[in-house]
Amino acid sequence: EVQLVESGGGLVQPGGSLRLSCAPSGFTFSSYWMHWVRQAPGKGLVWVSRITGDGSSTSYADFVKGRFTISRDNARDTLYLQLNSLRVEDTAVYYCTRGGLVGAHDYWGQGTLVTVSS
Amino acid sequence: QSALTQPPSASGSPGQSVAISCTGTSSDVGGYNYVSWYQQHPGKVPKLIIYEVSKRPSGVPDRFSGSKSGNTASLTVSGLQAEDEADYYCSSSTGDNIWVFGGGTKLTVL
Repeated sequence: EVQLVESGGGLVQPGGSLRLSCAPSGFTFSSYWMHWVRQAPGKGLVWVSRITGDGSSTSYADFVKGRFTISRDNARDTLYLQLNSLRVEDTAVYYCTRGGLVGAHDYWGQGTLVTVSS
Repeated sequence: QSALTQPPSASGSPGQSVAISCTGTSSDVGGYNYVSWYQQHPGKVPKLIIYEVSKRPSGVPDRFSGSKSGNTASLTVSGLQAEDEADYYCSSSTGDNIWVFGGGTKLTVL
């Protein structure tokens, strides 16, 4: 059974940093692109970032470029999202998703809540 | 990277059909057959229900169908059931390896 488990969320002050992790199971992690998608409270889904299976290529939404960094450790089967220079508007549940079907997010984790507040 | 445009709400009675539109540009929806749709019940995790415009993952009822014409994709839910009441989001990837979601549509079963 495919599972994705996020961790690392919490309360942080504006300008602070957090590192989110996603632990996959039930599939060969290195074979799949992975994504981060976020959802602010009461709002819609917003794509954040994507990384290829071997980690050689990444892409980001315009609003996070230069502040967030996606990475992966295939030896440890873990996906990461480093969040720097956090803003109040970055408050959201952050989901990791698997890019298993062409262009689609076929599995989603339960999400981890990031709250940016002073 | 503008969000795809969806109507904020849609509704239908049990047994009826309802269609939800998703409008993008030639750089996303119109340019690639990489449109997907997600269902999200309140407090739950989104679930993939349509990928590559019209394909259904295993286990998704055939009451859900997808199509595309030009820059607009559509999700049709036939034979509406109470359990279909949820938020629905479309998404498209682009040639630049960027993804974009629609703003979401709240489907109400009357």
